[in-house]
Amino acid sequence: IVMTQSPLSLSVTPGEPASISCRSTQSLLHSSGSNYLDWYLQKPGRSPQLLIYLNSNRASGVPDRFSGSGSGTHFTLTISRVEADDVGVYYCMQALQTPGTFGQGTKLELK
Amino acid sequence: QGQLVQSGAEVRKPGASVKVSCKASGYIFTEYDITWVRQVAGQGLEWVGWVSSDNSKANYAHNLQDRVTMTADTSTSTAHMELKSLTSADTAVYYCVREHRVYYYGMDVWGQGTTVTVSS
Repeated sequence: IVMTQSPLSLSVTPGEPASISCRSTQSLLHSSGSNYLDWYLQKPGRSPQLLIYLNSNRASGVPDRFSGSGSGTHFTLTISRVEADDVGVYYCMQALQTPGTFGQGTKLELK
Repeated sequence: QGQLVQSGAEVRKPGASVKVSCKASGYIFTEYDITWVRQVAGQGLEWVGWVSSDNSKANYAHNLQDRVTMTADTSTSTAHMELKSLTSADTAVYYCVREHRVYYYGMDVWGQGTTVTVSS
């Protein structure tokens, strides 16, 4: 399954919203009804961290400014109000099939 | 919560092997499997493989399956990844990350990463 993100870079004014699109070449909808799509953030010089799992579930400690939506082959990560701490590279990843596959990454920076 | 602590940076010559360890703490090791992900400098994330925490199953990326072996040791709560016949293309940061065995909650705890450098 190939994952494609857009845009590949994003420059956002603090306090403004941001969204990242992720598309898959196959549906990520499992028979359970869940879409096996995750979002990860890699801050500069750090290990990646989980933001969203199964399309729309925020990981523990993730602010509610972050939300995930979509279904099937098209997904979106939305940040309602960007903060300085949100800078880094965002990756979507499909977990429906092995091997898991990541998108190319979207670099978010502040204006 | 839980934590994964990886072994230190390694330097190898082309053709050699490397073994990276990933020690788990703060959670029940057998409730989570371990996935390995690598990242070449300045590039994206690549799924390398997965091993069950009871060491009964493993699954590897197609392009690495002839050279990689992943194991898990419940007695020490440690997972290992061995990569053989190294080339410069294997130079990367290797991360271990846990994934619940029964319920999918995403890959929620990551190791700090181990830098493997392959150079003559």
